[in-house]
Amino acid sequence: EAGVVQSPRYKIIEKKQPVAFWCNPISGHNTLYWYLQNLGQGPELLIRYENEEAVDDSQLPKDRFSAERLKGVDSTLKIQPAELGDSAVYLCASSLGGSSNEQFFGPGTRLTVL
Amino acid sequence: AQRVTQPEKLLSVFKGAPVELKCNYSYSGSPELFWYVQYSRQRLQLLLRHISRESIKGFTADLNKGETSFHLKKPFAQEEDSAMYYCALSGGGKLIFGQGTELSVKP
Repeated sequence: EAGVVQSPRYKIIEKKQPVAFWCNPISGHNTLYWYLQNLGQGPELLIRYENEEAVDDSQLPKDRFSAERLKGVDSTLKIQPAELGDSAVYLCASSLGGSSNEQFFGPGTRLTVL
Repeated sequence: AQRVTQPEKLLSVFKGAPVELKCNYSYSGSPELFWYVQYSRQRLQLLLRHISRESIKGFTADLNKGETSFHLKKPFAQEEDSAMYYCALSGGGKLIFGQGTELSVKP
């Protein structure tokens, strides 16, 4: 099994441009997470989905960030417009349900905003 | 506030030496704690969790509620243990990660 799939793996854009990241979780995992990882830091949760419902988006900067998981399977995270400070690794993870269960991480998307 | 602190950004030891990666947490309820590891060019993965009370790759971690710590230990470090290690706390339906400790095991 491929595990959690993310694309693209790398993205370089200029500031003020939009960007989107895609994640396909492990089949059967109803919980999906998007994390932000800045250089030298641990991952920080942006948003958590239970099926298609965003149950925790308190850390998502909603003025420029948006996410969706329309059919409760794959998910897209968007930034519009991107700022220099958004340069980071964006991680997607999935689990069978609840943070007590093991989370399986994707390889991440490394975003560079110039 | 819920918080995980890993005081060491880098820990360098020689092969065969004991290793202890420190983790302290702040949490008002009954915590669930984990250690995640990221080897070079690999994705982040679970190493162990405190409720399992198991040893994985020779690593163990004991939850000390009095000291609010969950240190990761291994008696004899191996070169293949070199990686980034993250302590994480499960709270409010999400994982809260520490800043990570890079373990470097020298031959």
